[in-house]
This record gives sequence, structure tokens and C-alpha cells, in this order.
Amino acid sequence: SQTIHQWPATLVQPVGSPLSLECTVEGTSNPNLYWYRQAAGRGLQLLFYSVGIGQISSEVPQNLSASRPQDRQFILSSKKLLLSDSGFYLCAWIGNQGNYGYTFGSGTRLTVV
Amino acid sequence: GDSVTQMEGPVTLSEEAFLTINCTYTATGYPSLFWYVQYPGEGLQLLLKATKADDKGSNKGFEATYRKETTSFHLEKGSVQVSDSAVYFCALNHYKLSFGAGTTVTVRA
Repeated sequence: SQTIHQWPATLVQPVGSPLSLECTVEGTSNPNLYWYRQAAGRGLQLLFYSVGIGQISSEVPQNLSASRPQDRQFILSSKKLLLSDSGFYLCAWIGNQGNYGYTFGSGTRLTVV
Repeated sequence: GDSVTQMEGPVTLSEEAFLTINCTYTATGYPSLFWYVQYPGEGLQLLLKATKADDKGSNKGFEATYRKETTSFHLEKGSVQVSDSAVYFCALNHYKLSFGAGTTVTVRA
């Protein structure tokens, strides 16, 4: 079966510290992968998407970066976190739901203090 | 570019009340339309979808009809329960998934 794993579930990091969030997908090959952020009280913002290994598209300028070192692995990173990076980060892939449905990971709640 | 506009919340209802959340979109071509739900402390789950004009998506008592003439995809449920309390997101997929801002719904017993 096709599943998506995202970790950690929660993270508290000090300002200026690095960040690495990981997302992996099982049961499929060459998926399109996405990172979204949901800031408190706001909607979902697409941050990055990837259609293949090493291929990253950035939707908005920001303090974050993404990498796709393997076909089913998508990593969100930062060298130095800002307070404004706090939020709920969701990884997603375009799953086999027919008609372009997306499957989301369970999310990582990041608090920068 | 593609965009989704959905009714602002929060919305507070009593159990068994009728729920409507309005959603309109702007897109070229014929996007697929979705409603996602986010229960407290959880990620997003696909609630229902429609891929072409006049399609009706339905799940868990919720319904939404793809109206091309009004570019709308309003979500409805005839009788809500406390367990329906969540944030609801309208979304469209046209090369990538674009979300509305979300509507927080609270159902009181």
C-alpha cells in the first residue's frame, strides 16, 4: 500500500538553529512531492515541490530550502531558523487516488523560540 | 494565476444544524476540485472531490457540486455532529494544489 511518513511530529527549536524535516513515501515510484506550511490561523501555503530526484521548485522566497536526495525522500531544511518559521509543515504527494488527489503526511508542528 | 476563495470563519453551529461553506475559484481550463478536512491536532484528509463540471462529490454526509457556470464548489451537510468540528479547506488542482484559507467549524452539543 502507499503511505507517507513525516517526522518529527513536533519540534521546538531556538532562533538561529538549523532545521531538517524529513518526508518519505512508500509503495510508489517517482511521485511528485510537496511541502506546505500552515501558519497559525492561516491557510496552507505551498513552499516547494519536486517532480524528481534533485529537482526542486520554490514557490515563495524564504528562509527555507528543500532537497530530494532519493526518489521517495523529500527534506525541508534551514541553516538558521527565524521566529517567523514557526508553523505546521505538511508533506504531500500526488497519490494513486485517481483524478489528482493528494495524500498528506501527519504534519510537523514547529515552534521557534 | 489559480486561486481559491472560501467563506471566512469561524462558523459555530448547534448539532443537527445545516452547514454550508462557500467556495469559489479562479482558474484557466478545467481544474479538479477538492474539500479537505483537518481535525484538531491532525494533518489534512481528503473529504471529497469532483473532477468535471456537474460532478457531485460526497462523503460522510457532506456534498459539493462542481459548478462551472458559477465557478463554485460549495460544501454542504444537512445535519452536523460535534465530531464534524474541524477546519475545512477548499482546493483546486491545476498542475499543483492551491488551497483556500480554511474555515473553522465548531459544532456545539
